[in-house]
Amino acid sequence: KAGVTQTPRYLIKTRGQQVTLSCSPISGHRSVSWYQQTPGQGLQFLFEYFSETQRNKGNFPGRFSGRQFSNSRSEMNVSTLELGDSALYLCASSLDGTSSGANVLTFGAGSRLTVL
Amino acid sequence: AQSVTQLGSHVSVSEGALVLLRCNYSSSVPPYLFWYVQYPNQGLQLLLKYTSAATLVKGINGFEAEFKKSETSFHLTKPSAHMSDAAEYFCAVNYLGNDMRFGAGTRLTVKP
Repeated sequence: KAGVTQTPRYLIKTRGQQVTLSCSPISGHRSVSWYQQTPGQGLQFLFEYFSETQRNKGNFPGRFSGRQFSNSRSEMNVSTLELGDSALYLCASSLDGTSSGANVLTFGAGSRLTVL
Repeated sequence: AQSVTQLGSHVSVSEGALVLLRCNYSSSVPPYLFWYVQYPNQGLQLLLKYTSAATLVKGINGFEAEFKKSETSFHLTKPSAHMSDAAEYFCAVNYLGNDMRFGAGTRLTVKP
């Protein structure tokens, strides 16, 4: 069974550009969550999608957006990149579609974004 | 609001020694608690989770954690450290939905 796949694994952008990151969840998983990981702030929740709808959202500016497709694949977009957006972006999928706190998140290896 | 605090950003133990990684949670309702491990250049992997079925939870790789409501703690232990345990460990709390909140992480170093 394939795990959570994130692409690209590494990318370099310059300030002001935009970036799109992709996440393919485990087959059958319908919930996809995104996290930003930085040395200074740790792991911060960005948003969660279930059945193509954003169900939860963290405290990030509107430059950060996401979407989910009918096949549960998800993308996140960051517009007008800033130096502080350099981070490891992690995607996680979950099997249980209910809003249960017991859901286990299975993480991908992440997309490491460097903004110059 | 729910949150977790991990005491100690770095922990160093000798191979074969006890591993103890501390986690305290803050939640107004009974939480779900998790421990994840992250190896370099990888995502997070679930070690174990507490969902109120039993206070002592056994996970993978010989790790276990005990939920203590009176101390609002969920410390992670392993009786005997192995070199392969060197990684970063994250405690996480969730209540409702997939809005999991993580601690700052503890980097475990295992000395030969």
